[in-house]
Amino acid sequence: EPEVTQTPSHQVTQMGQEVILRCVPISNHLYFYWYRQILGQKVEFLVSFYNNEISEKSEIFDDQFSVERPDGSNFTLKIRSTKLEDSAMYFCASRFDGRENTEAFFGQGTRLTVV
Amino acid sequence: SQKIEQNSEALNIQEGKTATLTCNYTNYSPAYLQWYRQDPGRGPVFLLLIRENEKEKRKERLKVTFDTTLKQSLFHITASQPADSATYLCALDPPGRRALTFGSGTRLQVQP
Repeated sequence: EPEVTQTPSHQVTQMGQEVILRCVPISNHLYFYWYRQILGQKVEFLVSFYNNEISEKSEIFDDQFSVERPDGSNFTLKIRSTKLEDSAMYFCASRFDGRENTEAFFGQGTRLTVV
Repeated sequence: SQKIEQNSEALNIQEGKTATLTCNYTNYSPAYLQWYRQDPGRGPVFLLLIRENEKEKRKERLKVTFDTTLKQSLFHITASQPADSATYLCALDPPGRRALTFGSGTRLQVQP
């Protein structure tokens, strides 16, 4: 069964450092997403990406964040200068193979810890 | 903005009973409503999707209802098992958007 893969599974970084979280979405999907989940809180939408550009972003997704699809398979989230409050699980997801609304497939997440 | 409330943070039931979880939302009705399961430290896993013109959807021991008048969805697990213990997330698929909005989830614990 196709799946979304994320690397690394854990990342510890110092405050102010840049991090890049990587994802390989399902190959025939058209929309890609990043969500985050702070420990004990709800899954929050960050950004959606379609046709090689951002289609929607939330208030959380400020100038510190960027996304990129550098090749035909990878989808990355970059945080330029990490803050303590960026510590969370980051989930990548993909959906829509061209049919009507379908479920989202989530990766297993990257646990980011900013110290 | 859209608000989503899931009835309780935690629900404890005995094995074999039916678990019923509630999802209420405000403002506009979504075109679709989805339910996901999340285990600790893992990503959400899709369970069921129901469209605004559908009243009920079933899949094995799972049943979802969708009442756009009440702005509510109910999620039922019949003949519950300890392996059903997890957090269950309601997610809205608003019209004109492609990003899901999640509720805070209900943690279900099924006691043997």
